[in-house]
Amino acid sequence: GDSVTQTEGQVTVSESKSLIINCTYSATSIGYPNLFWYVRYPGEGLQLLLKVITAGQKGSSRGFEATYNKEATSFHLQKASVQESDSAVYYCALSENYGSSGNKLIFGIGTLLSVKP
Amino acid sequence: EAAVTQSPRNKVAVTGGKVTLSCNQTNNHNNMYWYRQDTGHGLRLIHYSYGAGSTEKGDIPDGYKASRPSQENFSLILELATPSQTSVYFCASASTGKYAEQFFGPGTRLTVL
Repeated sequence: GDSVTQTEGQVTVSESKSLIINCTYSATSIGYPNLFWYVRYPGEGLQLLLKVITAGQKGSSRGFEATYNKEATSFHLQKASVQESDSAVYYCALSENYGSSGNKLIFGIGTLLSVKP
Repeated sequence: EAAVTQSPRNKVAVTGGKVTLSCNQTNNHNNMYWYRQDTGHGLRLIHYSYGAGSTEKGDIPDGYKASRPSQENFSLILELATPSQTSVYFCASASTGKYAEQFFGPGTRLTVL
């Protein structure tokens, strides 16, 4: 079946330093999945950070960027300069469509980002 | 103001007991979902619903039932709770359409002793 891999369960970065969280996917049942990054701040539910539905395109939000690389089957999340308020859990996900009724999300394990002041 | 709410936020249950987790959404979305999150796993889909009166099995439905009595409410029911069901449970809602975003509740932490 389809799957999403995040290799780092936890990442610690100093404030103002750059960040990359790796995400690769396997989409055997669908050729072109939609790709997402969700973020979960402490005590809150997941919220959408960014999404990209077209291969080769880049999504961006709140200083974060991710590019849909179909050849490498990757969707890495990057930020040039992190802030303490970025500390959260980040989830990479892909969607499987079940027709016009909606989509089903497949999630990676999540990466806990801790930003040191 | 929160569009997806869950209750309770924390629950301790005994093995063999019945547990009901409730979810309410004010987004007027047709689709609703129940996931569980465990360490070392991403969120995994338990049940979902297309609308009032419908429930569908997700990837890990065993040991769970779901109920969608109205557009706004979606419940997850553990008839005979087991310690392996100790987890954090998330509810989400989404409109129909292949690019629809899912909106999540804050989660319920369930401990089964």
